[in-house]
Amino acid sequence: GAGVSQSPSNKVTEKGKDVELRCDPISGHTALYWYRQRLGQGLEFLIYFQGNSAPDKSGLPSDRFSAERTGESVSTLTIQRTQQEDSAVYLCASSLAGVAGQPQHFGDGTRLSIL
Amino acid sequence: AQKITQTQPGMFVQEKEAVTLDCTYDTSDPSYGLFWYKQPSSGEMIFLIYQGSYDQQNATEGRYSLNFQKARKSANLVISASQLGDSAMYFCAMREGGGAQKLVFGQGTRLTINP
Repeated sequence: GAGVSQSPSNKVTEKGKDVELRCDPISGHTALYWYRQRLGQGLEFLIYFQGNSAPDKSGLPSDRFSAERTGESVSTLTIQRTQQEDSAVYLCASSLAGVAGQPQHFGDGTRLSIL
Repeated sequence: AQKITQTQPGMFVQEKEAVTLDCTYDTSDPSYGLFWYKQPSSGEMIFLIYQGSYDQQNATEGRYSLNFQKARKSANLVISASQLGDSAMYFCAMREGGGAQKLVFGQGTRLTINP
């Protein structure tokens, strides 16, 4: 498959535990984005990676959230000491950089439920 | 202030009719892009259409067209000859600046096509 791949597709965990979400972007896409979508809401930007530039972390809601990306490949989003308000679908997207009009291609998301 | 406003939480349309989904935006950046995505109940985000701020003509993609009124800061999506499969959430999103940047999403409009 040539699309954005996210794992796991579903994650249920207890409040206070750490979780790690994975995103495998489309090959050749230098830009990678994480968004959060709460039930019935639009998408909220979390963080953005572009090549070797410093990531744009302006959307991370607290210091419990962090993300890494290895080169132009896999990214992991980590949420420490999870809270119930972290329950949401976490969506990853990738795109070509430097080309106007290039859409972001989304994965199917990870549905995170905090008990 | 909301950067993207979608004022229609829900729309109900008869099959084969045309439907217009409203989107207004707010930016002071002269270079920006506007995107529409469809999210069926299965959850995936499907890119529909793009309009750049410097584009002279309204974008069209098959049954989708974008009614871009720059002075009014509106970018309404028009779906012609609606089909039952068009039932979904529709999100308007804006990218500020050129190149690959984060998207800011509206709250979405739930479109239901009735047979």
